[in-house]
Amino acid sequence: GAVVSQHPSWVICKSGTSVKIECRSLDFQATTMFWYRQFPKQSLMLMATSNEGSKATYEQGVEKDKFLINHASLTLSTLTVTSAHPEDSSFYICSAHPGGVGELFFGEGSRLTVL
Amino acid sequence: QKEVEQNSGPLSVPEGAIASLNCTYSDRGSQSFFWYRQYSGKSPELIMSIYSNGDKEDGRFTAQLNKASQYVSLLIRDSQPSDSATYLCAVRDSSASKIIFGSGTRLSIRP
Repeated sequence: GAVVSQHPSWVICKSGTSVKIECRSLDFQATTMFWYRQFPKQSLMLMATSNEGSKATYEQGVEKDKFLINHASLTLSTLTVTSAHPEDSSFYICSAHPGGVGELFFGEGSRLTVL
Repeated sequence: QKEVEQNSGPLSVPEGAIASLNCTYSDRGSQSFFWYRQYSGKSPELIMSIYSNGDKEDGRFTAQLNKASQYVSLLIRDSQPSDSATYLCAVRDSSASKIIFGSGTRLSIRP
């Protein structure tokens, strides 16, 4: 299957700081990438759809000014958690698909802990 | 609100038996259906995809789709302890713009 790489795998930061997470499609171009958040023992919640060359589409209830998404190239999307607070601690996962109506491939996930 | 429903479990199955996981979805126009496996602390990995009515088999896994009933299932034959995980049902909505996930069924295979 297609390969999606995510970095960093885990990060610990102080409250009030910003954290950037990168998502790369390694063997295909992705005009669209998806960012999910998952709290312990809960399902994946779609946060936003990242669109190459244009603004991201955010799901209802997700603060676009807090979760900044940039999709500057066909292989890279970034999620920046700004002014992080302990309640932002979660498992963030990106995904992409090579196109059409095929399956999503997921990155390894990034576990964020905000102290 | 488009929804994908799964029984949260846990579903406990003896080793070697068949595990049956079920999923229903609300968007009748959905065309693509997926099963993902997620181990604790890891990201989901694709197990099966199915696009047309009927059964699709891949090794010990069989996906079944019934669009009229808006129902998709996953059968795991000869269950192994390594199959213990959370299984996520996912459906691409009729607009094809996003994939919606169910809450997942936790499967436990007991030796």
